[in-house]
Amino acid sequence: DQQVKQNSPSLSVQEGRISILNCDYTNSMFDYFLWYKKYPAEGPTFLISISSIKDKNEDGRFTVFLNKSAKHLSLHIVPSQPGDSAVYFCAARTSGTYKYIFGTGTRLKVLA
Amino acid sequence: DTGVSQDPRHKITKRGQNVTFRCDPISEHNRLYWYRQTLGQGPEFLTYFQNEAQLEKSRLLSDRFSAERPKGSFSTLEIQRTEQGDSAMYLCASRTTGAHSYNEQFFGPGTRLTVL
Repeated sequence: DQQVKQNSPSLSVQEGRISILNCDYTNSMFDYFLWYKKYPAEGPTFLISISSIKDKNEDGRFTVFLNKSAKHLSLHIVPSQPGDSAVYFCAARTSGTYKYIFGTGTRLKVLA
Repeated sequence: DTGVSQDPRHKITKRGQNVTFRCDPISEHNRLYWYRQTLGQGPEFLTYFQNEAQLEKSRLLSDRFSAERPKGSFSTLEIQRTEQGDSAMYLCASRTTGAHSYNEQFFGPGTRLTVL
């Protein structure tokens, strides 16, 4: 049972344009969501998070949007840079638990 | 502090052998996680430690898997009688206590296990 789903395995975007990565979840008990970035031969790196009490969180070029009614979150990267090329994972957690549930990842390629 | 380290980075073993991996978390981090990642999948939770206490263990973790964190610092993950299905990247992550985003998990580079 895949509770966190990233339905697009890959995405290509031109440098300078917006990258939008999507994530859907099924468990309504999730109340904290995160995005991680992973380069080859490295572990995932935390990027940005959002609590379910918010619908938007922004950090520099990265913005995460949460739509609780649709059980959907998205990561916007503006402007996209070639160094953003990586695999992006969304993850979710329920307060009071220790387990993070990850999606299958989306490979972003930013073309120069 | 150079971050979370894992040893070895690669391990090739024959089916039926036992293997042990080590994770050294960031020194002030009291929380430690183990994950398994297979090709095309995201990290899959295996177990969680707070200090030396193992507080949660995935049902996916068979009896052949055991993890320890004896002094609340480094941790080991042992797989007994390895099977080809155990081939994966094993990731360790650590974090401090607290709900702030800067307290989120820091991952190590992983140990890639290949079972022949």
